Amino acid sequence: DTEVTQTPKHLVMGMTNKKSLKCEQHMGHRAMYWYKQKAKKPPELMFVYSYEKLSINESVPSRFSPECPNSSLLNLHLHALQPEDSALYLCASSQDRGLAGTDTQYFGPGTRLTVL
Amino acid sequence: AQTVTQSQPEMSVQEAETVTLSCTYDTSENNYYLFWYKQPPSRQMILVIRQEAYKQQNATENRFSVNFQKAAKSFSLKISDSQLGDTAMYFCARTGGNTGKLIFGQGTTLQVKP
Repeated sequence: DTEVTQTPKHLVMGMTNKKSLKCEQHMGHRAMYWYKQKAKKPPELMFVYSYEKLSINESVPSRFSPECPNSSLLNLHLHALQPEDSALYLCASSQDRGLAGTDTQYFGPGTRLTVL
Repeated sequence: AQTVTQSQPEMSVQEAETVTLSCTYDTSENNYYLFWYKQPPSRQMILVIRQEAYKQQNATENRFSVNFQKAAKSFSLKISDSQLGDTAMYFCARTGGNTGKLIFGQGTTLQVKP
């Protein structure tokens, strides 16, 4: 089973709203990732969690706040977003943190976010 | 710079024919993995095939195979017997050291025509 699930599928929010994206995997993976993807572009890495600890923050604005409550769950809390933050947000997981460069990342279906 | 280059932004192929998508990359590492991901219009990023850099044998998965040339840092994807469901954007990617990062190419949009 290589399934990563994400909810919601679509989200529309105003610039003053607070919302959260959720990601879940049950593959026993210990690394989880958030990506942002604009149309016809490759995904851009935002955050990496390894063993439930934040290991990489790619200089993401503080209006995006990640959280890893346990090894199966990853949340992305959104607050005071801008219209340019509208994008597809992808979650991925892998077995470990890519030590020795051997990880395979499995992606969820994404949440399409629109900021009005 | 550690880059991945896909030189074909768009390609098309007739159903049942064979098509090859090209990818080159730059790295100073000796141990890394290479991937092809497929992203159909539904937007789910799906792993198509992966290649371990220390293995000389080219990876295959049913109709998908790669031509891995390590010295040339080339990693092309061949799709045989193309099907309408192969229509998608294809991303080449490689692992980036011990960081867990994936380094993606800019993608190739493939359209399979009936």
